[in-house]
Amino acid sequence: DSGVTQTPKHLITATGQRVTLRCSPRSGDLSVYWYQQSLDQGLQFLIQYYNGEERAKGNILERFSAQQFPDLHSELNLSSLELGDSALYFCASSPPQGSTQYFGPGTRLTVL
Amino acid sequence: EDQVTQSPEALRLQEGESSSLNCSYTVSGLRGLFWYRQDPGKGPEFLFTLYSAGEEKEKERLKATLTKKESFLHITAPKPEDSATYLCAVQAGDSGYALNFGKGTSLLVTP
Repeated sequence: DSGVTQTPKHLITATGQRVTLRCSPRSGDLSVYWYQQSLDQGLQFLIQYYNGEERAKGNILERFSAQQFPDLHSELNLSSLELGDSALYFCASSPPQGSTQYFGPGTRLTVL
Repeated sequence: EDQVTQSPEALRLQEGESSSLNCSYTVSGLRGLFWYRQDPGKGPEFLFTLYSAGEEKEKERLKATLTKKESFLHITAPKPEDSATYLCAVQAGDSGYALNFGKGTSLLVTP
């Protein structure tokens, strides 16, 4: 158990809908990262937040957005969902002075 | 552009048969190279971080090494419970702290 929690574990929805994925980092970690894992693309970095501020952006679609709240939990919002958005979404956190990222158990999103 | 290539894509070993997994990388300004283990449907589990060429780290049957162009994950006398996908990732100076992952090596260890 890495100490990073993610909810829900599974999410099934329809095309065009909007969903919110939630992540709580390890105690003491200030950075939160979001990654998408699909069969053909592997693990892809989406976005990073540090202590409430956006720090880095990767291959994140404009339909996707994220935020980190004062209690340091983070939410990833996915809208206008398409079939191709079906994937595992992972959250990771890292300590203030460290570079190692610890991953949560993931949310499996299925878009029908 | 940063690139991470892992080989082989899949590896089947008999219990006790040692081998190595390869991760070759091209980055500008390596901050760190990371190895993770991932079981099906689960989140990646951290194994090692390597920061500079010549560095080595060990944990049980696993040993990770780093050169200026590649990293190896050596598995000594593997057991069936070592079966998993092993992921290599790099953190580069020009991309902040984001991890750039390879596609992984799927390892199967048979009794």
